[in-house]
Amino acid sequence: AQSVTQLGSHVSVSEGALVLLRCNYSSSVPPYLFWYVQYPNQGLQLLLKYTSAATLVKGINGFEAEFKKSETSFHLTKPSAHMSDAAEYFCAVSENRNNDMRFGAGTRLTVKP
Amino acid sequence: DAGVIQSPRHEVTEMGQEVTLRCKLISGHNSLFWYRQTMMRGLELLIYFNNNVPIDDSGMPEDRFSAKMPNASFSTLKIQPSEPRDSAVYFCASVTSAYGELFFGEGSRLTVL
Repeated sequence: AQSVTQLGSHVSVSEGALVLLRCNYSSSVPPYLFWYVQYPNQGLQLLLKYTSAATLVKGINGFEAEFKKSETSFHLTKPSAHMSDAAEYFCAVSENRNNDMRFGAGTRLTVKP
Repeated sequence: DAGVIQSPRHEVTEMGQEVTLRCKLISGHNSLFWYRQTMMRGLELLIYFNNNVPIDDSGMPEDRFSAKMPNASFSTLKIQPSEPRDSAVYFCASVTSAYGELFFGEGSRLTVL
């Protein structure tokens, strides 16, 4: 079955610094990959998704992710962190039309002033 | 559209009591997912339905848990009897198409004393 591993349960950056959240996946077929964000006391919201088109995917709020098949990775980046980016971020993988989506353990992003 | 609606948002109950969590899908969505989120285990897929039919319930912890989808727009997750280890935030999410974006409700926070 498909799975994702998020490296680092907690990442802390300064405001204006680069954000890099790591995700590696395991899938027996070409996967569909997603990044979701969760703000406190809310459900998850889609940031971006990879569906076998362009390998560099741009999402909302200035985030982007690059699909690298050779590295089985789908890391999330943002050039300049903003205080409002503080949240929990989840990488997810789906490999079938039933939308059997599996989430990583999540990475909590803290942004320091 | 109002989005995925979950009720209750918060529930506190005593061990042994029956708990029923409710979810209303977004109109037109044909797949529904129940997830459980805890600090220890992260986001776990409990069960999902396509067109009202349960596809995979392998994530349901044990027979105390049951889920139904009596019509295309509504689902319930029942725990009977409840135990303290069931304390978690339960999310439902719906999607309209294969490999589509999951739309999450705001969650039901369950505390079993």
